[in-house]
Amino acid sequence: GDSVTQMEGPVTLSEEAFLTINCTYTATGYPSLFWYVQYPGEGLQLLLKATKADDKGSNKGFEATYRKETTSFHLEKGSVQVSDSAVYFCALTGGATNKLIFGTGTLLAVQP
Amino acid sequence: DAGVTQSPTHLIKTRGQQVTLRCSPKSGHDTVSWYQQALGQGPQFIFQYYEEEERQRGNFPDRFSGHQFPNYSSELNVNALLLGDSALYLCASSLAEGELFFGEGSRLTVL
Repeated sequence: GDSVTQMEGPVTLSEEAFLTINCTYTATGYPSLFWYVQYPGEGLQLLLKATKADDKGSNKGFEATYRKETTSFHLEKGSVQVSDSAVYFCALTGGATNKLIFGTGTLLAVQP
Repeated sequence: DAGVTQSPTHLIKTRGQQVTLRCSPKSGHDTVSWYQQALGQGPQFIFQYYEEEERQRGNFPDRFSGHQFPNYSSELNVNALLLGDSALYLCASSLAEGELFFGEGSRLTVL
């Protein structure tokens, strides 16, 4: 079945460092891909999405490009802030449904 | 415009008990989905309700059941609680198959 694999954390960075969180997927058909963020004690917030190959999703300085050839959707940010500390989830939906399949999440800790 | 609201935010139950969690969708949304997020894991899809019917179901036992009301709000019921049911339960609403908007969740602890 469809699945998402993302790099394990925690990822610890200093403020203003470059961030990459890897995400690869397995899916039949042409899924839509998402990154969600979960701040401590809160629910999930959609960070960005891409619905077809070569699309780039972007929001709040974060970017991810839908790479069909490598089945990847890596999350990047050029300069992280302490306020970016959170758990990041890669997810997909497939077929004619909006049911989300999530990866296990990556904890990002940014130190001042 | 209120987003997705869930209640209660926290609750503690003992094994064998039953629990009901509630969700009010974002204004204008007609579809409610429920997810279980165990500690350190990604959310897992439980089921989705549309027009008061269960439209899709994930790999969860029959102890997990739900309901959607005419005003689109929803309940998640779990019977015969097990320790392994301890988790954050997330409700998400959408307009049909559109983007999901999540609530802050109900954290259930089973002792």
